[in-house]
Amino acid sequence: EDQVTQSPEALRLQEGESSSLNCSYTVSGLRGLFWYRQDPGKGPEFLFTLYSAGEEKEKERLKATLTKKESFLHITAPKPEDSATYLCAPGGRDDKIIFGKGTRLHILP
Amino acid sequence: DTAVSQTPKYLVTQMGNDKSIKCEQNLGHDTMYWYKQDSKKFLKIMFSYNNKELIINETVPNRFSPKSPDKAHLNLHINSLELGDSAVYFCASSQVDTGPQYFGPGTRLTVT
Repeated sequence: EDQVTQSPEALRLQEGESSSLNCSYTVSGLRGLFWYRQDPGKGPEFLFTLYSAGEEKEKERLKATLTKKESFLHITAPKPEDSATYLCAPGGRDDKIIFGKGTRLHILP
Repeated sequence: DTAVSQTPKYLVTQMGNDKSIKCEQNLGHDTMYWYKQDSKKFLKIMFSYNNKELIINETVPNRFSPKSPDKAHLNLHINSLELGDSAVYFCASSQVDTGPQYFGPGTRLTVT
């Protein structure tokens, strides 16, 4: 059965303190792994798609990486506006993407 | 110029009522989805349509019925509402089945 686990569940960082969020997945025939950001009261906002192990994508202070079993979202020198829930969602052969429960990130000024 | 829009944003109703949520996308995407996000913030797919054809139909009570009048619209009708239906419902769309999905703002349904 396809599964995805995100850790930690919640993370509090000081502004400027870099860290990484983890997404472990078990998916048959990975057809893409997606990262989303969700702010309270809003819909998930698409950030990145990763398709193959070794691939990296960057956007401002965020960098996503992918291995055969995990994906990481690295946050460099975060700012308070980076506070949100970050969702990992691998997609498998059946064209469904499975969302993890997310990591709630809080950046303290 | 909202990409994916949903109406209403909030819906409060009593048990046993029937209600509908509407979704429209102006991205020209072929695939649309309905997701349910429960109180624990877990996002789970309910249905997907590709060009008006039902593709994914997860284990959802048959009180829930999606309808796609055209590929830009996907509505969700819910019969005989129950307390457990309270959640936030998100509509999404994607260019292809395996591509990134773009989400609407959500509809918060509260059943009393």
